[in-house]
Order: sequence, then structure tokens, then C-alpha cells
Amino acid sequence: AQSVTQPDIHITVSEGASLELRCNYSYGATPYLFWYVQSPGQGLQLLLKYFSGDTLVQGIKGFEAEFKRSQSSFNLRKPSVHWSDAAEYFCAVGLRNRDDKIIFGKGTRLHILP
Amino acid sequence: DAGVIQSPRHEVTEMGQEVTLRCKPISGHDYLFWYRQTMMRGLELLIYFNNNVPIDDSGMPEDRFSAKMPNASFSTLKIQPSEPRDSAVYFCASSAPGIRNTEAFFGQGTRLTVV
Repeated sequence: AQSVTQPDIHITVSEGASLELRCNYSYGATPYLFWYVQSPGQGLQLLLKYFSGDTLVQGIKGFEAEFKRSQSSFNLRKPSVHWSDAAEYFCAVGLRNRDDKIIFGKGTRLHILP
Repeated sequence: DAGVIQSPRHEVTEMGQEVTLRCKPISGHDYLFWYRQTMMRGLELLIYFNNNVPIDDSGMPEDRFSAKMPNASFSTLKIQPSEPRDSAVYFCASSAPGIRNTEAFFGQGTRLTVV
């Protein structure tokens, strides 16, 4: 069955430090890949997405993600985090077949130390 | 466009009561998704529609849950009777036609508390 794994439930980094959030998926083909961010009390907002082409994808708010087919991974990165980046981050996959579902990982909550 | 609109934002109800959550998708979007978010289970897809037709309801937890989409601009998720374990944040999302699995736009959610 298709699945999305975010191995880190919580991550804490200092403001100004670099960030990498991990995401692995299980699927027989290359899916569509997404990263969403959820601020407290809010819905989810798309940060970036990968459909095809260049495997390094740039998103909003200075985030980027790299698709690595050999590792079935789509890790999210940011070179220098800001206190406003504290939120929950969700990796998601969309399935390239008749089934148009988007499956979400369980999320990684990011905490920022001043 | 105002985005995906959900109502109410908060709902507190007693166990056994009927609860109806509402969603207005973005105009022109032909996919509509209902998700449930809890601490234990994360974000779960309950059901989704394409052109007002339910495509996959395998995520609906029990027969107590039902969803309808009578037209392109309105959907409801109903729980009857409600139970405390239904307490969660329920999100509605919609996406545009033409490209499968393109970006889903989320509403702000309905926080349901069943006491």
C-alpha cells in the first residue's frame, strides 16, 4: 500500500540554523510530491511541489526540497530558519493513476529556539 | 476568490447529537476532499468527490459518517450520532481540474468537540 513516512515527530532548531525535514514514500512509481505547512489554528498551505523535471524544487518562504528517486525521499530544507517558521510540516504524495488521492504523512512539528 | 470556506469554525456538541459540517470549495475546482486531523492519527482522508460524485469513501470510519455534495459549490459532512472519539479538526480542501493531484487548497477547518 502507498504510504508517506515522516520519521521525526518533533524537531527543534535554533533561529538562524539550517533545517532539514525528512520524508520518505512507498509507491510503485514516481508520485507527485508536496510539502505543506500548518500554522497553529490554520489550514494547510502549500510550500512547494514536484511533478517532474528538475529534482530540486524551490518553494515559498525560502524553502526547497530535493526529490531523490533512489532513496524514495523528498526532504525539505531551509538554510536559515526564522522564528516564524515554527509550525507543523506535512509531506504528501499524489498518486499518478486513476486514483487522485493525496496521502499525507503524520507531520513534523518544528520548534525554534531564540 | 475567498478560498475554501468551512463552517462552523468550532462546534461543541453532546454525545448522540447530529453534527453537520459545511464546506464551500473554490469556484471552478472540481475535486473536493474531506480530511480529519487528530494527534493520534494525523491527517486522514475521509472521502473525496470529483464533479460532485463521491469517488473514494474508504476513509470514512463508520456508517455514522456521511458526506454529500449536492452541487459544485457546497458539501456537507454529517456525523449521526456523534461520539467523543469523533472529536478532531475536520478540513475541507479543493483542487482544480486538468492536472491530477495538483495542489489542494485547504479551508481553516472545523474543530469539533463531542462531550
